[in-house]
Amino acid sequence: DAKTTQPPSMDCAEGRAANLPCNHSTISGNEYVYWYRQIHSQGPQYIIHGLKNNETNEMASLIITEDRKSSTLILPHATLRDTAVYYCITGGNDMRFGAGTRLTVKP
Amino acid sequence: DTGVSQDPRHKITKRGQNVTFRCDPISEHNRLYWYRQTLGQGPEFLTYFQNEAQLEKSRLLSDRFSAERPKGSFSTLEIQRTEQGDSAMYLCASSVSGSLIQGTGAREQYFGPGTRLTVT
Repeated sequence: DAKTTQPPSMDCAEGRAANLPCNHSTISGNEYVYWYRQIHSQGPQYIIHGLKNNETNEMASLIITEDRKSSTLILPHATLRDTAVYYCITGGNDMRFGAGTRLTVKP
Repeated sequence: DTGVSQDPRHKITKRGQNVTFRCDPISEHNRLYWYRQTLGQGPEFLTYFQNEAQLEKSRLLSDRFSAERPKGSFSTLEIQRTEQGDSAMYLCASSVSGSLIQGTGAREQYFGPGTRLTVT
């Protein structure tokens, strides 16, 4: 079973920030938090990962709470092409994907 | 080399037949992973290799499934005596191995487009 909990779906207006939450209350001290997304009929795409500190790259920002029990993926200016299923995963080599959050960006 | 490639992209087979899928990872990646994904679900981990060594297998990987990575480059996943329940997307991913100092040693994985298997 997945070790993370995400809302099944979210909507976001085009051009606005999309904030996708994830709970990972059982995360252990040396486990990273990874975010991937999957656009229909394609393989998952790596977005970002972090351990303790907040992270930012060209795709997104990752905010991890101080207790590391939850995190939020932020897409600062969502576009229609960001419509996808977003997966939050913790752990190591045997990554366990849950059902993810289906983000729909609307015009 | 621009990414992970998988072949074939689609495979239709009759129940009871054997099928084999191939995955070519990103050339400098020493880790290779196999996943299975059914409709509406996230990918399920099956197994992974570091170089040619198969280091971990999920309990989902029944004895009808076998994976190899003989020279530490490409990998094959074979399913013997296919069943209708094997119908799924089979995904391959690759990564470099991480630094143990940083924790688990895992690094971000890059996925291929998948092989869609339909067993009739």
